[in-house]
Amino acid sequence: KAGVTQTPRYLIKTRGQQVTLSCSPISGHRSVSWYQQTPGQGLQFLFEYFSETQRNKGNFPGRFSGRQFSNSRSEMNVSTLELGDSALYLCASSLLGAHYGYTFGSGTRLTVV
Amino acid sequence: TQLLEQSPQFLSIQEGENLTVYCNSSSVFSSLQWYRQEPGEGPVLLVTVVTGGEVKKLKRLTFQFGDARKDSSLHITAAQPGDTGLYLCAGEGAVEYGNKLVFGAGTILRVKS
Repeated sequence: KAGVTQTPRYLIKTRGQQVTLSCSPISGHRSVSWYQQTPGQGLQFLFEYFSETQRNKGNFPGRFSGRQFSNSRSEMNVSTLELGDSALYLCASSLLGAHYGYTFGSGTRLTVV
Repeated sequence: TQLLEQSPQFLSIQEGENLTVYCNSSSVFSSLQWYRQEPGEGPVLLVTVVTGGEVKKLKRLTFQFGDARKDSSLHITAAQPGDTGLYLCAGEGAVEYGNKLVFGAGTILRVKS
């Protein structure tokens, strides 16, 4: 079966702009989570969606938002980009939640200049 | 401050050697997961352990969950160059973290031939 698909793979934006990242989970998976990965902070949890509802949220400013559609596809949006938002953004999906583990996508590498 | 402390941070060994990576926390987790990540890709789930004291083997890899469900270890026997990568432990279900899946900073393993 197809894995978790994230688009785009690479993105370059300038400070102040906004960006939308997309994630298509494994077919049948209803839980989608987003993580930010940087060399200094490692993997930091952004949010989790389950059946279109945000089930959990990390400690990120309100500039970071997300949503999940009825087909379980998810998007995350970052507004008013800052240089520090440069990171690898990872999407992960699972059938019911994190308990038994996630399948991750390859990520979107965002560079803010 | 990392919610899960991994040690060592970096390991460089010769092919054929054995190694152990540790993952420690003061929190009790419902499950503990190990992932391996290669550059430019998302983490790949290796194993999930859910019972205190549980031991799981995956070919040359042995995973153990501590009796108190606060710590875990990953032991690799006769390491090979293909084992090179970033090893991440992740814990789920700790009350302090709102049942999010939280990650350690990772252990970079390099196996030289």
